[in-house]
Amino acid sequence: GAVVSQHPSRVICKSGTSVKIECRSLDFQATTMFWYRQFPKQSLMLMATSNEGSKATYEQGVEKDKFLINHASLTLSTLTVTSAHPEDSSFYICSAPTSGVTDTQYFGPGTRLTVL
Amino acid sequence: AQSVAQPEDQVNVAEGNPLTVKCTYSVSGNPYLFWYVQYPNRGLQFLLKYITGDNLVKGSYGFEAEFNKSQTSFHLKKPSALVSDSALYFCAVRLGSQGNLIFGKGTKLSVKP
Repeated sequence: GAVVSQHPSRVICKSGTSVKIECRSLDFQATTMFWYRQFPKQSLMLMATSNEGSKATYEQGVEKDKFLINHASLTLSTLTVTSAHPEDSSFYICSAPTSGVTDTQYFGPGTRLTVL
Repeated sequence: AQSVAQPEDQVNVAEGNPLTVKCTYSVSGNPYLFWYVQYPNRGLQFLLKYITGDNLVKGSYGFEAEFNKSQTSFHLKKPSALVSDSALYFCAVRLGSQGNLIFGKGTKLSVKP
């Protein structure tokens, strides 16, 4: 299957700081990437759809000014958690379809964010 | 509203026995159905999908799933479970041309030796 990477895999930061998470498609180009959030022992919740060259589409209830998404190239999307607070602590996972938005999504390994 | 239900929080199976992880869906229109597996502190790995055609879909690691339109189900099965199959399994649905997936809450599979 296709490979999607995320960096960092784990980050611990102080409250009030910003954290950037990178999502890369390693062996294919992705015009669309998806960002999910997973709470402990819960399912994945879609946060936003990242579109290369245009603005991201956020799901209802997700603050776009807090979760900044930039999809600058066909292989890279970044999620920046701005002014992080302890309630932002979570497991963040990105995914990308290999060809077209309706294709199978391949997921990154996830980023564990802990805000102290 | 579109939804996916995984009625079992946990499924316990002895190694070598068959396993079934249940999934039902509620959508309008034709669903695209997926199964993913997640190991601890890892992302999701694609197992299999149903788009159209044969109702029995075969996927990775010996898993298969059967699409049943009348029962709106897409149960995941494996004839002989391995201890290494122990993980969290997610059923998901995508509607037509929409890109995002709607996930079930997940089912923890525990296979004991």
